Parts: sequence; C-alpha cells; structure tokens
Amino acid sequence: QTVVTQEPSFSVSPGGTVTLTCGLSSGSVSTSSYPNWYQQTPGQAPRSLIYNTNTRSSGVPDRFSGSILGNKAALTITGAQADDDSDYYCVLYMGSGVSVFGGGTKLTVL
Amino acid sequence: QLLLQESGPGLIKPSETLSLTCTVSGDSVSNSNFYWAWIRQPPGKGLEWIATVYYSESTYYNPSLKTRITMSVDTSKNQFSLKLSSVTAADTAVYYCARHDYGSGNHFAHWGQGTLVTVSS
Repeated sequence: QTVVTQEPSFSVSPGGTVTLTCGLSSGSVSTSSYPNWYQQTPGQAPRSLIYNTNTRSSGVPDRFSGSILGNKAALTITGAQADDDSDYYCVLYMGSGVSVFGGGTKLTVL
Repeated sequence: QLLLQESGPGLIKPSETLSLTCTVSGDSVSNSNFYWAWIRQPPGKGLEWIATVYYSESTYYNPSLKTRITMSVDTSKNQFSLKLSSVTAADTAVYYCARHDYGSGNHFAHWGQGTLVTVSS
C-alpha cells in the first residue's frame, strides 16, 4: 500500500515562515490527489485548513496556503503565531474512493 | 449549524464486534451533495481513514480494513453507522465521524468531537 509521507517534526520562530510537505512513497502528488490539510491540537478533533490543494476552509487565516511544490503537496504558514503550534496532517485521494492520511507533522513555534 | 455526534460502547472485549453510530443534526444524511465518513486515531498516533458512505448506500472502505468493516446509513434517524468485527487492541482509538465532501476536493469538512473506544479484556 502506498504510504503518504510527512516530516515528523518541524520548528519555526514566531513571525517566521514554514513549509510542510506531503509526499508519496511511490510516485508524485498532483492536484488529482486533492491534497487536504488539517490542524489538530491535543484533545481536539482535527480542523480543516486547506482542501483541493489550495482552497482555504471557512474562517482559516490567509497566512495558511496550500500548493504543489515539485512532486509533493505543501502547506505554507507565513508569519507563524504561537497558536499555530499543533499537529498537521495531510490526506491524499488514491482513487476508487480511497483516502490515505500522512503520519502528521508536529510543528513547534518557538 | 452542522453537528455530528459519535456514540459507542467505550470499552469492548477482543474478538467482539464494535458498533458506532454518528447522529447528524443541521443537515440530512440524504443530502445528495455529501458523503459521510469514519476516521480513527490510536492514542498518540496519526489519523486513519476507515470508510465513507453515500446515502444510496454506496460505500468505500480502507483496503486494510475492508474484510472487517461494514458501514451503513439510516435516513429515518439521520444517522450513519460503522461495524468493525474481530477487534483487537490495535483497534483502540478515538473514532471520529465526519462529513465527507467527496465531490468537492475530497474534503473532510466537518468532524464530530470523537469517541474513545478501548479494546481490552
């Protein structure tokens, strides 16, 4: 089964910019993978940030943006804030109704 | 306002069948624009998509779980359900139900708060 890969951890300074990526163990991510990004804080349900590669969900600040970079999907946070300190998950569509989540990236803002 | 609420046993014994229900308010499970999904998260680990159902009972299952899962919709109660058979400790997780905007970017747009299921004798 194809594995969706994410950086296990990342750190960014307040006000800085960070790009998290979402790739495939075999092959390239494209818009046809419909990359989605979710933010999760401890004890809470995930919150939708980005869907369909680059569409922000309702209420999501524009410092969050999605794109395809090379052969991966990317989530960029511009001007990171303390409350961006969270886990971030991507999910890719594999076809035939099947979705696969990445292992998640723990982002530390310090 | 769309709300999804999971309900389940909390604790279940190994080899038994887990039954979970998601009650939807603020929308209809018969809404032809949306699908409905189950996603789980073992303690301290990442998210795993389990299954998705459409009101017409079309279903899509995680290949690694498909021999053990059944998902269904009850339009009269505005609920959808998941059954997972032959559970083991590896099935211990928080189980989330979600509205799956399958035709709109494969988007898990709204999530329930989750229900913890522990598999233990």
